[in-house]
Amino acid sequence: EDKVVQSPLSLVVHEGDTVTLNCSYEVTNFRSLLWYKQEKKAPTFLFMLTSSGIEKKSGRLSSILDKKELFSILNITATQTGDSAVYLCAVPNNDMRFGAGTRLTVKP
Amino acid sequence: DTGVSQDPRHKITKRGQNVTFRCDPISEHNRLYWYRQTLGQGPEFLTYFQNEAQLEKSRLLSDRFSAERPKGSFSTLEIQRTEQGDSAMYLCASSLSGGGSYEQYFGPGTRLTVT
Repeated sequence: EDKVVQSPLSLVVHEGDTVTLNCSYEVTNFRSLLWYKQEKKAPTFLFMLTSSGIEKKSGRLSSILDKKELFSILNITATQTGDSAVYLCAVPNNDMRFGAGTRLTVKP
Repeated sequence: DTGVSQDPRHKITKRGQNVTFRCDPISEHNRLYWYRQTLGQGPEFLTYFQNEAQLEKSRLLSDRFSAERPKGSFSTLEIQRTEQGDSAMYLCASSLSGGGSYEQYFGPGTRLTVT
């Protein structure tokens, strides 16, 4: 059965810290992996990764995929309180399989 | 606002009642997805449509749940004979198909509380 596992489940850091969030997956017919940020409401899209080793970057956020080891990481540098959210990774197949998310809390 | 919209945003119902939710996707998106999310969990896939065709339905989905997208635009999700375990946030998302694009845009969700 397809599965997506994220770690850690929760993380508390202080502003300015750098964090790394992990997502491992086991799916048939892998095509892409997506990262979303969810604050109080619906998830908002961050990145879509399809190729190994190619970093996607947006401001202080970056992500990379390793298709051999079946995982992806999401890095956030110089964290701010506004980064506090649940970060979800998801792998589309015939459905969209989400991980349980990592709840990040950034303290001032 | 050209994003995904959902109605109602909140619904409180008594156990045993039927409820129906509506989702209006981004107009040019041909795929529409329904998810259920409970506290501390990621969204759980329920079903998806490509145009008006329902292409996939979760094996975990009870027969009490049914979804339609009759004209390939908006969709409805109906839950019959609601149970307390149905209390959750119901999310709708839409996307374009083809070209390897799987970026889904989510609506604000409908929070269902079954008392």
